[in-house]
Amino acid sequence: QKEVEQNSGPLSVPEGAIASLNCTYSDRGSQSFFWYRQYSGKSPELIMFIYSNGDKEDGRFTAQLNKASQYVSLLIRDSQPSDSATYLCAVIGTYGGSQGNLIFGKGTKLSVKP
Amino acid sequence: EPEVTQTPSHQVTQMGQEVILRCVPISNHLYFYWYRQILGQKVEFLVSFYNNEISEKSEIFDDQFSVERPDGSNFTLKIRSTKLEDSAMYFCASSEVASGNTGELFFGEGSRLTVL
Repeated sequence: QKEVEQNSGPLSVPEGAIASLNCTYSDRGSQSFFWYRQYSGKSPELIMFIYSNGDKEDGRFTAQLNKASQYVSLLIRDSQPSDSATYLCAVIGTYGGSQGNLIFGKGTKLSVKP
Repeated sequence: EPEVTQTPSHQVTQMGQEVILRCVPISNHLYFYWYRQILGQKVEFLVSFYNNEISEKSEIFDDQFSVERPDGSNFTLKIRSTKLEDSAMYFCASSEVASGNTGELFFGEGSRLTVL
């Protein structure tokens, strides 16, 4: 069974700072990695996904993947109070089929202070 | 913007009763999913559905659970003989292609199930 581990936080950063969120995964064969944001009481929404080692940037967000270390991170630049949410790391799981479905970490709660 | 809709938003039931949670996926999506999230816990995969049949299911999705697409728009999750530990938020999701390709699942707002 694949596992995804995240520090539950809370991670508190001041407005305008860089927030760094980290995730490790157990299956060295994992190929696809996703970051979702979940506001309290709401459903998850996809921020970005990454397949290849290195960095992938999308606006204020940068995902970083290091497959050798089985580590994926999300950087949020110029953090805003509206970024305050729980950030979920997810990898593709396999339950015997080929479709691949998501295994989520427990999430890191981020709080951006004005 | 198209969205996944779920009903009811909250259901309270007695232990042992059957519940049906309903979802209307985004109209051009072909893959449908149910996930659940127990309060304070991880989002957990239950089942995926494609071409009118289950394509994958997790160990959570035992004989107590079933899914159905009774018509061209609805996708339902039935939980028979509910237990206290079934209390959770149940999320329906849909995707245009298999989640293994892009991971872009569009989630509904969830149905909160409370079993007393």
